[in-house]
Amino acid sequence: AQKVTQAQTEISVVEKEDVTLDCVYETRDTTYYLFWYKQPPSGELVFLIRRNSFDEQNEISGRYSWNFQKSTSSFNFTITASQVVDSAVYFCALSEALNTGNQFYFGTGTSLTVIP
Amino acid sequence: EPEVTQTPSHQVTQMGQEVILRCVPISNHLYFYWYRQILGQKVEFLVSFYNNEISEKSEIFDDQFSVERPDGSNFTLKIRSTKLEDSAMYFCASSGRQANQPQHFGDGTRLSIL
Repeated sequence: AQKVTQAQTEISVVEKEDVTLDCVYETRDTTYYLFWYKQPPSGELVFLIRRNSFDEQNEISGRYSWNFQKSTSSFNFTITASQVVDSAVYFCALSEALNTGNQFYFGTGTSLTVIP
Repeated sequence: EPEVTQTPSHQVTQMGQEVILRCVPISNHLYFYWYRQILGQKVEFLVSFYNNEISEKSEIFDDQFSVERPDGSNFTLKIRSTKLEDSAMYFCASSGRQANQPQHFGDGTRLSIL
């Protein structure tokens, strides 16, 4: 079973529109960590945010915001007033505290295209 | 800002040959990782390394793979006898002194097996 599901494979929006990228996770651990990474066309993975399972407070960073809801096992990512530079593949990832290897379980990614 | 560096950026190798991918993690990090990403697919965990030994490995990381930290700065991934299906982007990552901190990724090495 997939530990992280990103159901949206591709999304296209027109510049300045808001867009929400969905992430649903599955874990039996009570302590876990969720992450979002951005992979622009150049290929590198850029860390965006980390959230632990005990902190359900939503976070805003500029045009980015994250909505963590344990009740639905979701950690969604919203970009407000999208820009062309936001075009990238976005990955959600899960790390479980009981996992000695600290490995990340990545979702399959959502490819976002922002059209000028 | 410190970063993870990987060399080479692109490696082309004949099938059956050995290849070594090199990484220099962030200097004060203690946890090191290798992931791979087959073109257009998700990022998959290969191995994690802590305190000079493998702490976890996936089923992908079979006997053809090995990792080494030969000195205080480098972290290498060796594939002994490459197969066509090893063609992928390989990412090295490192994280700090506590578990489950954000992993900082290098820019990746694109491995092409001919």
